[in-house]
Amino acid sequence: AQSVTQLGSHVSVSEGALVLLRCNYSSSVPPYLFWYVQYPNQGLQLLLKYTSAATLVKGINGFEAEFKKSETSFHLTKPSAHMSDAAEYFCAVSDGRGLTGGGNKLTFGTGTQLKVEL
Amino acid sequence: DTAVSQTPKYLVTQMGNDKSIKCEQNLGHDTMYWYKQDSKKFLKIMFSYNNKELIINETVPNRFSPKSPDKAHLNLHINSLELGDSAVYFCASSRRLTQGSSDEQYFGPGTRLTVT
Repeated sequence: AQSVTQLGSHVSVSEGALVLLRCNYSSSVPPYLFWYVQYPNQGLQLLLKYTSAATLVKGINGFEAEFKKSETSFHLTKPSAHMSDAAEYFCAVSDGRGLTGGGNKLTFGTGTQLKVEL
Repeated sequence: DTAVSQTPKYLVTQMGNDKSIKCEQNLGHDTMYWYKQDSKKFLKIMFSYNNKELIINETVPNRFSPKSPDKAHLNLHINSLELGDSAVYFCASSRRLTQGSSDEQYFGPGTRLTVT
């Protein structure tokens, strides 16, 4: 079984400060990892994904994440926070094997609410 | 053009009623999903369909019945609505995957269901 733990349900940073959102995973097979962002009253939008090609993954809006197998982590970072980054962030894991018949199963973390202050 | 669309966006109804939520994707994907997001923002998969075939059914009460008339549509019908069904329901889609690969899911805007 696979699972994801997001440490800190609420993170608050100042505008221009470093953003660090933590995600640890558990998977019995090499995982595929995703970060999604959800703005208020909207659906989820993919920020970036790790699929074993490179451990440092760059995504949209200046976000990046580093896969660390030894730490079973996939933390999300952004060097300088902007007010528009305020949203809910979800880490998700898939075992990448796909499902018989197609598709894949994503297991989501409980989310981290990012607040950006002036 | 919206990639994954859902209707309605808001749905307010009384306990015991039957309601449906519709989902359509124009991405050419073969696989579609339904997720439930509770009041604490926790997301849990409910169903997955691949080319009209049910792939995932995650211990969801049988009052919930997905229907896929074609691979671009996945509707969710809910019978005898209960207070605990109040949540945001998201539809998503992805490409058909081969073993050893993974692909992201594209989400719709959500349907906020309120049962009174």
